[in-house]
Amino acid sequence: AQTVTQSQPEMSVQEAETVTLSCTYDTSESDYYLFWYKQPPSRQMILVIRQEAYKQQNATENRFSVNFQKAAKSFSLKISDSQLGDAAMYFCAYRRMEYGNKLVFGAGTILRVKS
Amino acid sequence: KAGVTQTPRYLIKTRGQQVTLSCSPISGHRSVSWYQQTPGQGLQFLFEYFSETQRNKGNFPGRFSGRQFSNSRSEMNVSTLELGDSALYLCASSGDPRGYGYTFGSGTRLTVV
Repeated sequence: AQTVTQSQPEMSVQEAETVTLSCTYDTSESDYYLFWYKQPPSRQMILVIRQEAYKQQNATENRFSVNFQKAAKSFSLKISDSQLGDAAMYFCAYRRMEYGNKLVFGAGTILRVKS
Repeated sequence: KAGVTQTPRYLIKTRGQQVTLSCSPISGHRSVSWYQQTPGQGLQFLFEYFSETQRNKGNFPGRFSGRQFSNSRSEMNVSTLELGDSALYLCASSGDPRGYGYTFGSGTRLTVV
């Protein structure tokens, strides 16, 4: 069974600075998807960034980028120029490519942004 | 474009009762998935429906069931509620047959007393 591990229960960052959230996963599959979701107090899970495992290039979405290391099964999220609105719970998730497969989530990392 | 709508937002039920939660996906999305979120167990997959057919099911007891209608709206039902069923229930829809993009609703907070 696939597992996703987020080893940092909580992180803090100063506004305008950069923070990296860690995620490792375990799978025997070669093709899969990886995601970072953000869950603010409003509870809605918001997709931050996603990566297809067969793509070697790291995904980037504005201030958010990932460091995808397939061999090491590592998928970290870097947030640059942190803003107060970035404060939330961040979840790393894995999904096999076949139809109907579930998202497997990590335990989450609470990100606090200090002004 | 309306997002994923879950109703109700909050629900309080008594142990032993049953409950039905509703999820309206984004227009055109045919895949609907349900997740349970608790502080102790985190986010766990319940089931996924595509075109009214259950494609995948998580490791939950038979008290948890779901269905999808022809307009892609989905309901999940929990019978004989237990205190441990108190959780945030999240619904996600996808219009991508590969499942590469999921949009989540704001969830239904169920409290069992």
